[in-house]
Parts: sequence; C-alpha cells; structure tokens
Amino acid sequence: AQSVTQLDSQVPVFEEAPVELRCNYSSSVSVYLFWYVQYPNQGLQLLLKYLSGSTLVKGINGFEAEFNKSQTSFHLRKPSVHISDTAEYFCAVTLYNKLIFGAGTRLAVHP
Amino acid sequence: DTEVTQTPKHLVMGMTNKKSLKCEQHMGHRAMYWYKQKAKKPPELMFVYSYEKLSINESVPSRFSPECPNSSLLNLHLHALQPEDSALYLCASSQETGSLDNTQYFGPGTRLTVL
Repeated sequence: AQSVTQLDSQVPVFEEAPVELRCNYSSSVSVYLFWYVQYPNQGLQLLLKYLSGSTLVKGINGFEAEFNKSQTSFHLRKPSVHISDTAEYFCAVTLYNKLIFGAGTRLAVHP
Repeated sequence: DTEVTQTPKHLVMGMTNKKSLKCEQHMGHRAMYWYKQKAKKPPELMFVYSYEKLSINESVPSRFSPECPNSSLLNLHLHALQPEDSALYLCASSQETGSLDNTQYFGPGTRLTVL
C-alpha cells in the first residue's frame, strides 16, 4: 500500500532563511508526487509535481523539490522564505484515482 | 486557467436543514472530487466522479448525496447532518482518472458549520 510521511509537523524559520520540508513515501509501483500549499481559510494550491523526467522540479513562489527514488523522498526546498510563505504544506502521491496525503507540515516564518 | 469555483464560501445549517454545495470548473476536466477536511488534518476523499458517473464512494454516510449534472458541475446535497460534519468541504477536478497526468486542482472550499 502507498503511504506518505511528512517528518515534521511544524517547521519554524526566520524570514530570508532557507527551508526544507521533508517527505518520504512508500510504494511498490511508480508514483507521481505532488506538493500542495494551503493558506489559512483557503483551498489547496498546487506548488509543483513530479510525473517523470528530471528529478529536480521547480514550482511556483520559488519552491523546488527533488525526487530521490533510492531514498523514496520528495523534499521541498526554498532558498529564502518570506512571511507570506507561512502556511500548511501537504505532500501527496497518486494511487489510481486517489491522492494519498501526508499529515502536513506547518511552516511558520518569523520576522 | 486552473480555476475551480465553489459556492457558498460559508454555510451554517441546523441538523434538520437541507442544503447543497456547488462546484464548477471550465477546464474541460472529466473527473471531479469531493473532499472533507477537518482542522489541522489533510483532506479526506469522499467521492469521485468520472465522466459524470460516480466511480468512488469512500463509505460516506447517506446524509451526503453527490450529484454530477454535467461535466462542469458537481453538487453535494446535505440532509440531516450532525455537528461532527462541520468541516471545510473541498472540490477538485482533474483531466480524467487513470491518465498519466491526473493532477487535481482544488477549489477554495466551503466552510460548513452544523448547529
């Protein structure tokens, strides 16, 4: 069965510092991987996705993620965060018609 | 354009009321989804429609009744809800189920409060 583990429930960071949000998955088949962001009282917005090809994926708002098949990871990174990046971040994998979400990581950016 | 719209934005209802949530997309997607999200939790899949037919029901109680009148619209009819059904209800759409790129695009959600 497929599952997604987000290793940190909360990540506090200062503005302009780099950040990495960790995501590991387990699957016996090829997967497609996603990162979504949810700002307070809003829906989910697609940040980036990996379907195939280059393992380094660039998304919106300066975020990028690297697919590592050997380590079954898809960590999200940003070199310099802003206050406006404060949000909940969800890693997800697809299984046929379904998105399997991780528990989420709360990124809190402090001035 | 990757916009999914949902109405209403907020809804307060009593346990004996009947109400409906509405979702619309104009991306030509043939798969649409309903999710329920409780506070500080990831979304939980409720229903999947593929080509206007219900393809997945995640054992959702019958007080939730989905409807897909056409390929652009998805409704969720609510009747005799319980306070524990209070949550953010999210709609999503994707090109079609089973395709290589089945990226789901989400709407802003309806915040439901059951009194």
